[in-house]
Amino acid sequence: LAKTTQPISMDSYEGQEVNITCSHNNIATNDYITWYQQFPSQGPRFIIQGYKTKVTNEVASLFIPADRKSSTLSLPRVSLSDTAVYYCLVDYGATSGTYKYIFGTGTRLKVLA
Amino acid sequence: ETGVTQTPRHLVMGMTNKKSLKCEQHLGHNAMYWYKQSAKKPLELMFVYNFKEQTENNSVPSRFSPECPNSSHLFLHLHTLQPEDSALYLCASSQAEGGEKLFFGSGTQLSVL
Repeated sequence: LAKTTQPISMDSYEGQEVNITCSHNNIATNDYITWYQQFPSQGPRFIIQGYKTKVTNEVASLFIPADRKSSTLSLPRVSLSDTAVYYCLVDYGATSGTYKYIFGTGTRLKVLA
Repeated sequence: ETGVTQTPRHLVMGMTNKKSLKCEQHLGHNAMYWYKQSAKKPLELMFVYNFKEQTENNSVPSRFSPECPNSSHLFLHLHTLQPEDSALYLCASSQAEGGEKLFFGSGTQLSVL
């Protein structure tokens, strides 16, 4: 059964870089990796998506090693407003045999002043 | 504003009641999803619709009945629910099914008494 795992929580200070890793051992050739941010009482919001190597946008970077069994979301210089839960999502496609779009367990990031 | 609207935001119902959750997307997307988010658990995919056709039912109990009359609207009909069904129910849409960015609504917080 496909599984996506993340650390439960992380603390950081304002201005630091935060790296959150997601493990997705059963990822297949055509599966994408997407990261979402969720604030209380809101739905998850798209941050970044990647397939391999490195992707960067205005808010984050995503690092994916060659074997693609894990990925790392990097948030540069976090602020208090980045306190949220971060989820990775893998579109397992035909690999899982049960269902697709498996969200990770979520990482609760707390940014301290 | 994500372009995905869910109503109601909060719902309290007894185990013998029948209620419906509504989701509407204004993004011109073709795929729509229902997710369940329980406290301290990852998001669980429930149903997927692609061009109004159901393409995924993740072993959801029959007391949850989805309906997708067109690509812009998605309903979740609820009947004879159990207290353990209390959760945040999230609707999402994407341009197409598979590997696409998901846009989520704010969810309906359901309490079953």
